[in-house]
Amino acid sequence: QSVLTQPPSVSAAPGQKVTISCSGSSSNIGNNLISWYQQLPGTAPKLLIYDNNKRPSGIPDRFSGSKSGTSATLGITGLQTGDEADYYCGTWSSSLTAVVFGGGTKLTVL
Amino acid sequence: QVQLVQSGAEVKKPGASVKVSCKASDYTFSDYMISWVRQAPGQGFQWMGWINPYNGDTNYAQKFQGRLTMTTDTSTSTAYMELRSLRSDDTAVHYCARLHCSTTTCSLDYWGQGTLVTVSS
Repeated sequence: QSVLTQPPSVSAAPGQKVTISCSGSSSNIGNNLISWYQQLPGTAPKLLIYDNNKRPSGIPDRFSGSKSGTSATLGITGLQTGDEADYYCGTWSSSLTAVVFGGGTKLTVL
Repeated sequence: QVQLVQSGAEVKKPGASVKVSCKASDYTFSDYMISWVRQAPGQGFQWMGWINPYNGDTNYAQKFQGRLTMTTDTSTSTAYMELRSLRSDDTAVHYCARLHCSTTTCSLDYWGQGTLVTVSS
């Protein structure tokens, strides 16, 4: 059972926008910054968003992140078939000195 | 370009041990902690722990206490993860990842390609 809660799946058509939610508590999301990871089928995860809303070099601005209170949201605009992947949220747990994750959301681009 | 390159797939019998390596390149190895995260087939991520190559400090998830050891060799910029007393539910892809920390939080900014450990009699 994951510490953070994500919807198991979301779907949208090519070119559309989708959002993926991630909820936690004051002991994790509420007091720390969120990161998002993309895992394309059969590949290793890749950092997509860090510090709530920052993109590493090379990540297109179609991907965005936000946080409010104990919840966070990943947004993807201009959906492409290549965006089909599992998306995981994560945050630092100060009490565990560990990254805690959501259970992952499978994005299907119809 | 930062890279973490892991050793190849392993097949082990229950009760055996496995040691996975993770060789880092293109950054100062001792400047960042290395974390290990695993993913059972069709499942999400499970945090295993981290090691600080600068001083050897470690932090293991409680689930693995007593049968997990993380080490580093700074002369070769390589991290190792050894898991003992293997069980069938240890079958998973094991990833190393660089832990990038700011003053208030950490994220995993570079990942290895993963090492599949299969435990089967």
